[in-house]
Amino acid sequence: NAGVTQTPKFRILKIGQSMTLQCTQDMNHNYMYWYRQDPGMGLKLIYYSVGAGITDKGEVPNGYNVSRSTTEDFPLRLELAAPSQTSVYFCASSEGTVGSQYFGPGTRLTVT
Amino acid sequence: DQQVKQNSPSLSVQEGRISILNCDYTNSMFDYFLWYKKYPAEGPTFLISISSIKDKNEDGRFTVFLNKSAKHLSLHIVPSQPGDSAVYFCAAPSGNTPLVFGKGTRLSVIA
Repeated sequence: NAGVTQTPKFRILKIGQSMTLQCTQDMNHNYMYWYRQDPGMGLKLIYYSVGAGITDKGEVPNGYNVSRSTTEDFPLRLELAAPSQTSVYFCASSEGTVGSQYFGPGTRLTVT
Repeated sequence: DQQVKQNSPSLSVQEGRISILNCDYTNSMFDYFLWYKKYPAEGPTFLISISSIKDKNEDGRFTVFLNKSAKHLSLHIVPSQPGDSAVYFCAAPSGNTPLVFGKGTRLSVIA
């Protein structure tokens, strides 16, 4: 099992550009999450999904969109990138709401 | 307002000694807590958890203690090893938010 995979590993965007961060899990987990981690800070939840076709906002959803058309995939879309979106983005999945989450290796995004 | 607080950004410990990482929380409704470990350029990995019905949970060299009256938990690592050098996050499910994370404590174990 690959677990949770994320692409790309690194990306530099210019202000105003858009991009999609990809996330795939092969553990058949219903729950998937997107977090961002800024330097010296904990992880902040952007969006999460409890199953295909169902998504919900987390703590910091502004500037992002998500979709969940399959159990395996949970892409995160950035529209009109801003310098404030410079961060490391982590995707995670879990079997249920209580219990540990499995994280991907992260995508380091810089917006200049 | 932070619901899960890790007030020590960093901690240095000699190899073989005990490492104690602390976490405070504000919401008395929290009933489950998790610790994650994170190495540079990797995602966090689950380390150990504790339910509020317990005051201690042990897994090998790692023990988590929960003091509900003080709204405080701590992670003990004994003996500490250089491979334990990482950032440790405390987390808890909070209402509609699946997990709320503290800011993390960077542990350096010195050989």
